[in-house]
Amino acid sequence: DQQVKQNSPSLSVQEGRISILNCDYTNSMFDYFLWYKKYPAEGPTFLISISSIKDKNEDGRFTVFLNKSAKHLSLHIVPSQPGDSAVYFCALSRDSSYKLIFGSGTRLLVRP
Amino acid sequence: DAGVTQSPTHLIKTRGQQVTLRCSPISGHKSVSWYQQVLGQGPQFIFQYYEKEERGRGNFPDRFSARQFPNYSSELNVNALLLGDSALYLCASSRGGAGDTQYFGPGTRLTVL
Repeated sequence: DQQVKQNSPSLSVQEGRISILNCDYTNSMFDYFLWYKKYPAEGPTFLISISSIKDKNEDGRFTVFLNKSAKHLSLHIVPSQPGDSAVYFCALSRDSSYKLIFGSGTRLLVRP
Repeated sequence: DAGVTQSPTHLIKTRGQQVTLRCSPISGHKSVSWYQQVLGQGPQFIFQYYEKEERGRGNFPDRFSARQFPNYSSELNVNALLLGDSALYLCASSRGGAGDTQYFGPGTRLTVL
């Protein structure tokens, strides 16, 4: 059973526009929600996180939104840059230092 | 500061063989987790060790085992390799406290022929 779903395998946006990546989950037990990005031949790199007591967290060009009633997590990147092109994974956990449950990833391509 | 390091980078084995993968955490990090990433999927949790004790285990067969050493480095062992064990094996470290972020190494690409 898939507890975490990223329904869009890929996304293409123009440089300077907003990128919106989405993640849906089924279980309300998660307390931490994270986004990692992965370049080829590298391990996942932590991007931004949010705890279940918040609905928004912002860090520069990256904002994560959490809608607990809809069990939906999203990552907004604005403005998008070509260097943002990577695979983005959402990850959920009871505790961010413990077992992370990952989605299947969304490949983002930012076109110059 | 050095990040999480893993060795080897790539490995090719045949079915039935055994393999050992190694991970060195970030200095000061006491927790190490192992994940398996199969092509086209997200990483899947295998094990976590904290202060040399197993803190959690994912849904993997007993062919998979791990340990953590006094210097907090870790090894992942897989016995009786199957073709389906071909994957990227990722190691992540954290301080181990509640809410701490896990930082990943570059992974070991295992191919089983």
